[in-house]
Amino acid sequence: EAQVTQNPRYLITVTGKKLTVTCSQNMNHEYMSWYRQDPGLGLRQIYYSMNVEVTDKGDVPEGYKVSRKEKRNFPLILESPSPNQTSLYFCASSPTSEEGYYGYTFGSGTRLTVV
Amino acid sequence: ILNVEQSPQSLHVQEGDSTNFTCSFPSSNFYALHWYRWETAKSPEALFVMTLNGDEKKKGRISATLNTKEGYSYLYIKGSQPEDSATYLCASYNTDKLIFGTGTRLQVFP
Repeated sequence: EAQVTQNPRYLITVTGKKLTVTCSQNMNHEYMSWYRQDPGLGLRQIYYSMNVEVTDKGDVPEGYKVSRKEKRNFPLILESPSPNQTSLYFCASSPTSEEGYYGYTFGSGTRLTVV
Repeated sequence: ILNVEQSPQSLHVQEGDSTNFTCSFPSSNFYALHWYRWETAKSPEALFVMTLNGDEKKKGRISATLNTKEGYSYLYIKGSQPEDSATYLCASYNTDKLIFGTGTRLQVFP
């Protein structure tokens, strides 16, 4: 089954404790992206990757890191989480990002709480 | 700053009613308009991607239209069913990025 697998689904952590949210897709998609969803706001892009070893900042990159060492994986790293990073996170992928011609496939989401 | 606006924010309809909602997006440097269906506790699923002015797309009882000159898209649901209850997101691809609206939350009562 074609899918984007995101883990964990739920995570409660303490301020400052490094964490990684994993994202993996099995569709050979070039483009991958991370979003956060907060009440009253649309999905906001954190980081994206056009292909292996190519990553770039989205609209809200502060406090996050990513890597794209293999085509299928695009982990999101929070080196020192803070309470304002409490949010619902989605990973998404697309065959390419070219002019938005393809719909995105989303992972199941990670609800992160930082206390 | 590019804004994508959706209205209404929420909608309650009776089973069998037809309904529609609006997505407004910047018309400059426009490439594509996406619609997604997002059920509670699940992930958004792509419904349509539209690119050309006047485009109309249909999937079962759900259809969408696109006006790129004035910057709006309509999503229609004919004969709403309780399983149509979800948040419907639109997103506009302008210049080099996809910008999401905040969604229209639809609840269909039996």
